[in-house]
Amino acid sequence: KQEVTQIPAALSVPEGENLVLNCSFTDSAIYNLQWFRQDPGKGLTSLLLIQSSQREQTSGRLNASLDKSSGRSTLYIAASQPGDSATYLCAVRGSGSARQLTFGSGTQLTVLP
Amino acid sequence: NAGVTQTPKFRVLKTGQSMTLLCAQDMNHEYMYWYRQDPGMGLRLIHYSVGEGTTAKGEVPDGYNVSRLKKQNFLLGLESAAPSQTSVYFCASSPGTGGIGNQPQHFGDGTRLSIL
Repeated sequence: KQEVTQIPAALSVPEGENLVLNCSFTDSAIYNLQWFRQDPGKGLTSLLLIQSSQREQTSGRLNASLDKSSGRSTLYIAASQPGDSATYLCAVRGSGSARQLTFGSGTQLTVLP
Repeated sequence: NAGVTQTPKFRVLKTGQSMTLLCAQDMNHEYMYWYRQDPGMGLRLIHYSVGEGTTAKGEVPDGYNVSRLKKQNFLLGLESAAPSQTSVYFCASSPGTGGIGNQPQHFGDGTRLSIL
């Protein structure tokens, strides 16, 4: 059974800092990996989706990398801003007949002004 | 530009009561999903649908039923609510192109359900 782990559970950084969020998964036979953002009391917003054949995806100040063989992904946030404060979740989609996303429990990020 | 709309936003039930959560999407998406999110845990898939008139079980389907009579709506039912079903429920949808899971899912804002 696929398990997705995100460490740390919470992170606090000063504004302007570059930071990295980590995601690890136990079964490397994935189809893709997604990073989501969740604001308090809100649903999830998809940030980046990396197919298994890709190494990274970029969107603005966000860069996500994927290393399937080691079962790891990172989300890099450049020049962090208070508006980046949220919970960030990663989710993997299994290959083959698996149709569901398996989510990590998230990293709660606070960017201090 | 509504996206995915969930109704109601909050609800308190007594054990044994029944209710239906409604999810509506206006993006003409083929696929729809129901998840639950519990403290300290990631989202877990309850049921999903790959098209109008179809449904399938996810990871934690027990105690729930679903229906997709119209493409834009996906209903989640609790026939006899239990305290273990206290959770935040999220609905999501995604396009059908490229196969299920290949497109980002769009989420509603959630329904916060408490079972006393």
